[in-house]
Amino acid sequence: GAVVSQHPSRVICKSGTSVKIECRSLDFQATTMFWYRQFPKKSLMLMATSNEGSKATYEQGVEKDKFLINHASLTLSTLTVTSAHPEDSSFYICSAGNRGFFEKLFFGSGTQLSVL
Amino acid sequence: QKEVEQNSGPLSVPEGAIASLNCTYSDRGSQSFFWYRQYSGKSPELIMSIYSNGDKEDGRFTAQLNKASQYVSLLIRDSQPSDSATYLCAVEDDKIIFGKGTRLHILP
Repeated sequence: GAVVSQHPSRVICKSGTSVKIECRSLDFQATTMFWYRQFPKKSLMLMATSNEGSKATYEQGVEKDKFLINHASLTLSTLTVTSAHPEDSSFYICSAGNRGFFEKLFFGSGTQLSVL
Repeated sequence: QKEVEQNSGPLSVPEGAIASLNCTYSDRGSQSFFWYRQYSGKSPELIMSIYSNGDKEDGRFTAQLNKASQYVSLLIRDSQPSDSATYLCAVEDDKIIFGKGTRLHILP
């Protein structure tokens, strides 16, 4: 199957710093990328939907100024957690696919963010 | 708010038995349904997709869809310890909405 590369896999940062997470589709072009957050033993929570070349659509309750999403090309989307705080510590996962064909939705391996 | 509901479990099933996982969804217009398996600390992996009413079988897995009842289920036959994981039901609208997942524990 197709490969979605997500990195870093793990990051530890100090409170107040910003962290960028990259999600790349390596062997296909993805019109849509989704960003999820998952707290321990909790479900995947959709944060935002990112469409190439347009602004991301954020879910209710997700601060767009805190979680900056850029989807500048069909193979790359980034999530930047700005001014991270301990409560932002979570497992962040991206997935990539093409609208209308989401059976072919591939997940990155996730990023474990720990904010001290 | 469109919702996907699952019993969080844990569901404990003896090895070799059938595990039955259930899911309901709120949007009657939903057309595509998926089951994902997620091991702890890992990303979800797709097990099954189903689009039409009825059963769809793939190896030890059978997905069942009843659109009138807004219900989708996953059966795992001959359960193995390696099947122990969290199973996520997902529904496609213009995005994928996941349920909270059911933790399945296969007892050796």
